[in-house]
Amino acid sequence: GDSVTQMEGPVTLSEEAFLTINCTYTATGYPSLFWYVQYPGEGLQLLLKATKADDKGSNKGFEATYRKETTSFHLEKGSVQVSDSAVYFCALSEGGRQGAQKLVFGQGTRLTINP
Amino acid sequence: DTGVSQNPRHKITKRGQNVTFRCDPISEHNRLYWYRQTLGQGPEFLTYFQNEAQLEKSRLLSDRFSAERPKGSFSTLEIQRTEQGDSAMYLCASSSRDRGKYFGPGTRLTVL
Repeated sequence: GDSVTQMEGPVTLSEEAFLTINCTYTATGYPSLFWYVQYPGEGLQLLLKATKADDKGSNKGFEATYRKETTSFHLEKGSVQVSDSAVYFCALSEGGRQGAQKLVFGQGTRLTINP
Repeated sequence: DTGVSQNPRHKITKRGQNVTFRCDPISEHNRLYWYRQTLGQGPEFLTYFQNEAQLEKSRLLSDRFSAERPKGSFSTLEIQRTEQGDSAMYLCASSSRDRGKYFGPGTRLTVL
């Protein structure tokens, strides 16, 4: 079945540092790709998405580009803030029966930003 | 949107007991999903409803698990004869056809 592999954490950076969290996927079709973020004590929130090859998703200064040739969707941010500390999940959307769009998640990467 | 709500937020139970969780989706969303998240892992799909019909179930959903969505509104997930391996965060998400999924805050289950 489809799968997602993320770079292992935890990742610790200083404020204003450049961030990259690697994500690669294996899929039989052409899935949509997502980054979700989970802040402490809160539910998963969609951060950004891309639905086809070469699409770039962006939100809150974060970006990720759907690279079909390398089956990757790496998350980047040019200058991180303390408030970006959270767990980040890469995911793909796998079609199922009767319109189900199941999300397949990576294991998550915990990011801590120090002031 | 008022968001997806889940109750209870935390549940501690003894092995062998039955537990039931509730999810209230965003009101106009006809699609509802349950996921399970264990410590240090990403969420895993359990089951999917479109309106009141349960249309897909993961192999992770053993026969001790049952989910319902009467009248296509709220949903319940029941676990019978709980085991320590059932300890996890149970997440609910809802969506409509043209919109992304919105996740609830989850119910954390601890089986002693």
